[in-house]
Amino acid sequence: DQQVKQNSPSLSVQEGRISILNCDYTNSMFDYFLWYKKYPAEGPTFLISISSIKDKNEDGRFTVFLNKSAKHLSLHIVPSQPGDSAVYFCAASAGNTGTASKLTFGTGTRLQVTL
Amino acid sequence: ETGVTQTPRHLVMGMTNKKSLKCEQHLGHNAMYWYKQSAKKPLELMFVYNFKEQTENNSVPSRFSPECPNSSHLFLHLHTLQPEDSALYLCASSPQGARTGELFFGEGSRLTVL
Repeated sequence: DQQVKQNSPSLSVQEGRISILNCDYTNSMFDYFLWYKKYPAEGPTFLISISSIKDKNEDGRFTVFLNKSAKHLSLHIVPSQPGDSAVYFCAASAGNTGTASKLTFGTGTRLQVTL
Repeated sequence: ETGVTQTPRHLVMGMTNKKSLKCEQHLGHNAMYWYKQSAKKPLELMFVYNFKEQTENNSVPSRFSPECPNSSHLFLHLHTLQPEDSALYLCASSPQGARTGELFFGEGSRLTVL
């Protein structure tokens, strides 16, 4: 049973427009959510995160929104740039003790930003 | 350069071979992880080591054998693998007190089992 779901395997957006990547989760114990970005032939890199006590976190062109009642989060990229073309993974963690992390990942959404 | 280095980047092996994947982190982190990424599947956590001690084995078959000699090095020993074990194997590390769950990944080792 997948606890973190990214139902859109791919998304194509024109340069300059907004990209919206969605993620749904089922485990109500998750209290921290992260987005990772992965280019081909590279490992995932951390992009942005949000705690369950917040509903929005912004970092430059990237904003993550969290709707706890719907168990849904989304990543907004504005404006989208060709360099944003990558696979984006949603991840969640529950009650980390601080000694080691244990993330549950989604399957990823491939974003293609076209000129 | 993420500070986590994996070798080899690509590996092709037969089902009867024995090989090892190596991971080294230069970030001073205390926790290290092995993840498996198969096509169209989520990243799957395999093993977690914290201060060289294994704290998590996510029901991984015994044909995968991890080794963590110190907090900077992590190995994954492979023997009698199956074709379905072909995947990208990612090593990651995290610092002490990583409340946020942020991981630092290596570039991965692409494994093909013939």
